[in-house]
Amino acid sequence: EAGVTQFPSHSVIEKGQTVTLRCDPISGHDNLYWYRRVMGKEIKFLLHFVKESKQDESGMPNNRFLAERTGGTYSTLKVQPAELEDSGVYFCASSQEEGAPGNTIYFGEGSWLTVV
Amino acid sequence: AQSVTQLDSHVSVSEGTPVLLRCNYSSSYSPSLFWYVQHPNKGLQLLLKYTSAATLVKGINGFEAEFKKSETSFHLTKPSAHMSDAAEYFCVVSLYGSGNTGKLIFGQGTTLQVKP
Repeated sequence: EAGVTQFPSHSVIEKGQTVTLRCDPISGHDNLYWYRRVMGKEIKFLLHFVKESKQDESGMPNNRFLAERTGGTYSTLKVQPAELEDSGVYFCASSQEEGAPGNTIYFGEGSWLTVV
Repeated sequence: AQSVTQLDSHVSVSEGTPVLLRCNYSSSYSPSLFWYVQHPNKGLQLLLKYTSAATLVKGINGFEAEFKKSETSFHLTKPSAHMSDAAEYFCVVSLYGSGNTGKLIFGQGTTLQVKP
């Protein structure tokens, strides 16, 4: 069974450009999460989809970030325009059952974004 | 407020000696606790999880952790370190109940160095 896959694995863009990160969750997982780790900081929650609906987007830093999950399958996270402080690793994760104690959340390998 | 504190940012051990990575948590609810590991340029891998069953939890690669409610701790241990254990380790709390959907809160991470 394929795990959570993310694309691109690495991206270098100039300040002001746009980048779109893609995440394919494990098949059958309704819950999809985005997290990120900027340099020197903790891994922080960005948002949570249940199927195609945004369940919690309290961690989105500002309106330069737009996440979508059309059809409840894969998700994209767009950063437009990118700023230097957006550099970091963006992790996608998925899980099967929402809110169940002990629910395991599986992570992808991350998309490493560098804004120059 | 819920939080996780990893008491050491760096731990260095010799190969074959025990490993102890310390974690304290703060939670108003019964937490689920996890340890994840990230090897260089790799994604986050689940080591083990605690979900209010047995307080001593065994994980992969010989790691285990003990949940101590009185001390609000969830320290990670391994009897004998291997070179391949060198990585960054994250203590994570997940919140359930009262509308929480299992959003993860990460500790700051502990980098484990294993010397030959």
